Amino acid sequence: QKEVEQNSGPLSVPEGAIASLNCTYSDRGSQSFFWYRQYSGKSPELIMFIYSNGDKEDGRFTAQLNKASQYVSLLIRDSQPSDSATYLCAVNRDNQGGKLIFGQGTELSVKP
Amino acid sequence: KAGVTQTPRYLIKTRGQQVTLSCSPISGHRSVSWYQQTPGQGLQFLFEYFSETQRNKGNFPGRFSGRQFSNSRSEMNVSTLELGDSALYLCASSLTGEGTQYFGPGTRLTVL
Repeated sequence: QKEVEQNSGPLSVPEGAIASLNCTYSDRGSQSFFWYRQYSGKSPELIMFIYSNGDKEDGRFTAQLNKASQYVSLLIRDSQPSDSATYLCAVNRDNQGGKLIFGQGTELSVKP
Repeated sequence: KAGVTQTPRYLIKTRGQQVTLSCSPISGHRSVSWYQQTPGQGLQFLFEYFSETQRNKGNFPGRFSGRQFSNSRSEMNVSTLELGDSALYLCASSLTGEGTQYFGPGTRLTVL
């Protein structure tokens, strides 16, 4: 079992729809959770981070964390073609400093 | 504030050679983490340096090494290059390591 798992996709949604990206993790010692967006040929760009159970909203993005079920998700409202990218879920364990464990990423395609 | 910078952006080497990659973190950031990204394995953690000390290490052979200087700039070295070392090498900086990490543009290494 991989430490951080994501559906590889591709996930295709029409423009204006809600895109839902999911991520599960295996280590209950995980404390911090991050979503990065990576365009083809570019480096990962931080979108959101979440540390506590519940929802965290930032503009069109909402991160959701459920530590009991060991999953974290990212919702993108009013999806735009410019949101088409690979979304990477990353997890940081307690006492492991700058070590992020990444999922394989979910490719999102937003169709006009 | 200037972002994370990496040099060089592209490198072509042959098997058996060695290579040194450089990373300059965001001003004030003391933690630098290095990652390898390949299509098959995704983003994998190499090591993290904080205040000139290696604080965390991933599961890579000893051919991969790094160091950090007093100004927080970091270098990673790969000796005796193998074809499988062809990858995008990314560095990320953060204030202390535990928080959010910001990635540089990466160095694309091709081993022939």
